[in-house]
Amino acid sequence: NAGVTQTPKFQVLKTGQSMTLQCAQDMNHNSMYWYRQDPGMGLRLIYYSASEGTTDKGEVPNGYNVSRLNKREFSLRLESAAPSQTSVYFCASSEGLGELFFGEGSRLTVL
Amino acid sequence: SQKIEQNSEALNIQEGKTATLTCNYTNYSPAYLQWYRQDPGRGPVFLLLIRENEKEKRKERLKVTFDTTLKQSLFHITASQPADSATYLCSPTGANNLFFGTGTRLTVIP
Repeated sequence: NAGVTQTPKFQVLKTGQSMTLQCAQDMNHNSMYWYRQDPGMGLRLIYYSASEGTTDKGEVPNGYNVSRLNKREFSLRLESAAPSQTSVYFCASSEGLGELFFGEGSRLTVL
Repeated sequence: SQKIEQNSEALNIQEGKTATLTCNYTNYSPAYLQWYRQDPGRGPVFLLLIRENEKEKRKERLKVTFDTTLKQSLFHITASQPADSATYLCSPTGANNLFFGTGTRLTVIP
C-alpha cells in the first residue's frame, strides 16, 4: 500500500501563478486534510474534508480552495500564488477523528 | 483562541537517559491527545494516542500521560537511543480541533 501520495514533491511558482496540489489515499479513509508547515509555526490546518462531498475551512484557508474529488482524492488549489504561501504542504487522511496518516509533503516556493 | 505549547524547541540528552517532552494547551478541552514523530524532510508519523479518561499509556519504550486538570501531556522515551533523534509533535484533538504544537527537536547524544 502506498498510503498517502502527494504530487508534486517540489514546485517553484511566480507570484500570481496558479497551481493544484494533488493528494490521494488508498486506505479507504473518510477524512482528509491539508496542512502547511512553516518554521516556528508548526502544522496549521488549511482545509479538511470529513467525508466525500464535504469540505470545511481550517485555521488558515485564505488564498486556497479545495476539492474532494471522490473518497480517495483531495486537491488543494492556489488561484493566485503569493510569496507568503511559500511553505511545505502536507496532506493527511484518517478514519474519523484519530490517527492521521501523512504524505511526504510538497515543497512550494513562490518567487 | 486555542493555544498549544511544547516545552522547548530543542532538547539534548545523553544516550540511555529518559527524555521527557511536555505539551500544554489552553482554551479548549480535547477528547484525546496524540503524539507524532517527524524526521527532517518527511511527513509526521503517528506514535501514540491517549484519551481524556486515560491517565497513562505505554508502547515499548514510550510512555504518555494526560492530565486534563493541568491541561498537560508528558511524553517519555526511556533508554533513549540516537535513532530517537527527531522532532516530536503533540496534537490535542477533538471535534473540529485539529491542531498541532510547534514541536520539540530531540537530539540523543551517543
